[in-house]
Amino acid sequence: AQKVTQAQTEISVVEKEDVTLDCVYETRDTTYYLFWYKQPPSGELVFLIRRNSFDEQNEISGRYSWNFQKSTSSFNFTITASQVVDSAVYFCALSAEAGTASKLTFGTGTRLQVTL
Amino acid sequence: KAGVTQTPRYLIKTRGQQVTLSCSPISGHRSVSWYQQTPGQGLQFLFEYFSETQRNKGNFPGRFSGRQFSNSRSEMNVSTLELGDSALYLCASSLFTSGRASNEQFFGPGTRLTVL
Repeated sequence: AQKVTQAQTEISVVEKEDVTLDCVYETRDTTYYLFWYKQPPSGELVFLIRRNSFDEQNEISGRYSWNFQKSTSSFNFTITASQVVDSAVYFCALSAEAGTASKLTFGTGTRLQVTL
Repeated sequence: KAGVTQTPRYLIKTRGQQVTLSCSPISGHRSVSWYQQTPGQGLQFLFEYFSETQRNKGNFPGRFSGRQFSNSRSEMNVSTLELGDSALYLCASSLFTSGRASNEQFFGPGTRLTVL
């Protein structure tokens, strides 16, 4: 069975602050994929990133960066210089069933509130 | 390229009724997955369809069913609605290449179902 834990229920920051969203996962599979999605108030889940279990390189995309550490089963997400438009619920997800393109196991989400 | 579309966006039903939700995937995407999102249970996988066949199913009662058509459009049906079925139902589509697992999934805006 797979499990994703996002211990931070809600985070509030002031614009321009850096913020890190934590994600810890559990799986017995050796091949798995990790994802981050953003859900703005409109409800649609917006894909942010996918990593596979064999690629531990950290990734940076603009103000977003991801830190994948297999040793601690973590896949944390950092937003640098946060903006009000970053306010949303962020979900970490895991897919670990060979041959299937879906069956994502989601964490409970972290609500990020960025204020002026 | 048009995104994933879901209809209707909002729906109100009463207990005992049945409901059908529709999802049109991104053009060229042949895999469609459905998820239920509730405040209590979070995001949970319902089922996945590929080539008109259900390939994977989550832990939901038989009242929840789905199908996929030859044009990859998918419908899900919930019979004998219960109050607890009130949720945001999200559809996701993805490309699927034989032997490759866990492609990026692109989500639609969801259908918000309210059961009274």
